[in-house]
Amino acid sequence: EAEVAQSPRYKITEKSQAVAFWCDPISGHATLYWYRQILGQGPELLVQFQDESVVDDSQLPKDRFSAERLKGVDSTLKIQPAELGDSAMYLCASSYPPGPNEQFFGPGTRLTVL
Amino acid sequence: GIQVEQSPPDLILQEGANSTLRCNFSDSVNNLQWFHQNPWGQLINLFYIPSGTKQNGRLSATTVATERYSLLYISSSQTTDSGVYFCAVAWKTSGSRLTFGEGTQLTVNP
Repeated sequence: EAEVAQSPRYKITEKSQAVAFWCDPISGHATLYWYRQILGQGPELLVQFQDESVVDDSQLPKDRFSAERLKGVDSTLKIQPAELGDSAMYLCASSYPPGPNEQFFGPGTRLTVL
Repeated sequence: GIQVEQSPPDLILQEGANSTLRCNFSDSVNNLQWFHQNPWGQLINLFYIPSGTKQNGRLSATTVATERYSLLYISSSQTTDSGVYFCAVAWKTSGSRLTFGEGTQLTVNP
C-alpha cells in the first residue's frame, strides 16, 4: 500500500542548531503539505506545494523556516536556528488530484529542542 | 473567526459500548476528513466525507453540510479504538489547507 515516508522519526537538538526533515509523498501525488502539531492541539499548515511551486506559506515563520521541493517529488523542511518553542510533531501529507481532495499523512517527525 | 469545534473533548467507554463524536464547523467546506491519531502520532484516515454518509466496518460518519456539522459513530468499541479523533475541514474560501479541531480523546477500557 502506498504511503507517505518521513525521516527522521525522532530528532533531538539544542536551541540555535539547524535541523532538517525529509518527506517523500505517495507516488504521483503532486500536492504536498507540511503541518506542525504542538502537543495537545490539532495540526496547523506550515506550507503547501503544488509540484515544485509554493502555493501557501502564509503560516510559515520565514525568518527561521524554509521548505523546498526542487524536483516536485520529495521535500525538505529546515529550521535554522531552532528555538525551544519549535518542539512539536512535524507532519507531511500529500494528495491527488489538485484541489481539496483527501490528504494522506506520513508518520511524522517528533522534534525536541533542548 | 471561522473555526472547527469538536465534542466531547474527552470520552471514556467500556469495551463494547457505542459512541458518537461531533464536529461543528462555522463556514462552507470543500473537504471534511476524520482521522484517528495513534499513540505514535500518526494520523490514520477514517473518512473523507464533505457530505453524505459512509460506513467502514464498526465506524460510520455523516456530514450535513447545510447545517455545518459532522458525526462519527463508533459501535462495539474496542481497546484499540483508544486515541485522539480529529475532524479537519478545508474551507471553500481557503483552498485545500486543512483546519483541524482540537480533537476528542477517547479511552476504551477493557
